[in-house]
Amino acid sequence: AQSVAQPEDQVNVAEGNPLTVKCTYSVSGNPYLFWYVQYPNRGLQFLLKYITGDNLVKGSYGFEAEFNKSQTSFHLKKPSALVSDSALYFCAVRDRTGTASKLTFGTGTRLQVTL
Amino acid sequence: NAGVTQTPKFQVLKTGQSMTLQCAQDMNHEYMSWYRQDPGMGLRLIHYSVGAGITDQGEVPNGYNVSRSTTEDFPLRLLSAAPSQTSVYFCASSYSRGVSGYTFGSGTRLTVV
Repeated sequence: AQSVAQPEDQVNVAEGNPLTVKCTYSVSGNPYLFWYVQYPNRGLQFLLKYITGDNLVKGSYGFEAEFNKSQTSFHLKKPSALVSDSALYFCAVRDRTGTASKLTFGTGTRLQVTL
Repeated sequence: NAGVTQTPKFQVLKTGQSMTLQCAQDMNHEYMSWYRQDPGMGLRLIHYSVGAGITDQGEVPNGYNVSRSTTEDFPLRLLSAAPSQTSVYFCASSYSRGVSGYTFGSGTRLTVV
């Protein structure tokens, strides 16, 4: 069965500093990988995805993620954090052979950016 | 373009009551899913549908029913509410087998007392 691990419940970073939110996955074969963000009392918003191709994926709001097949990781990064980036971030995976709706989520990482 | 619309936004039920959470999308997405979000557990898949007339169980289907009579609508029914079903419920839809990303509704916060 596929799974996702987000090892940090919370990440704290000062505004202007780079940020990394970690994600590792387990899936049969090559994965589809996603990052979503959730602001308070809102639904999840799509940030970026890895389907194939370049291992460095760029997404919304200046975020990017690096796919590393050997380490089965898909860490979310941003060169310079903003206070407005504070939110709950979810990594998700689905395998290429499964049905589209079987997206497996991590437990989420709360990002807190302070001045 | 409304996207994915969920109603109601909030609901309080008594144990044993039944209710239906509504989900509608106007993007002609084939795939629709229901997730529940609980603290420290992320999102867990309840039921999903790959098209009208086709539904299947996810990770935590017990106590819930779904149907998909049209492409647009995917209601979630709680048959006999239990306190363990207190959660935030999200509906999501997708086009092109999910590779383009999923669109989520704003959620329904359900409390069962």
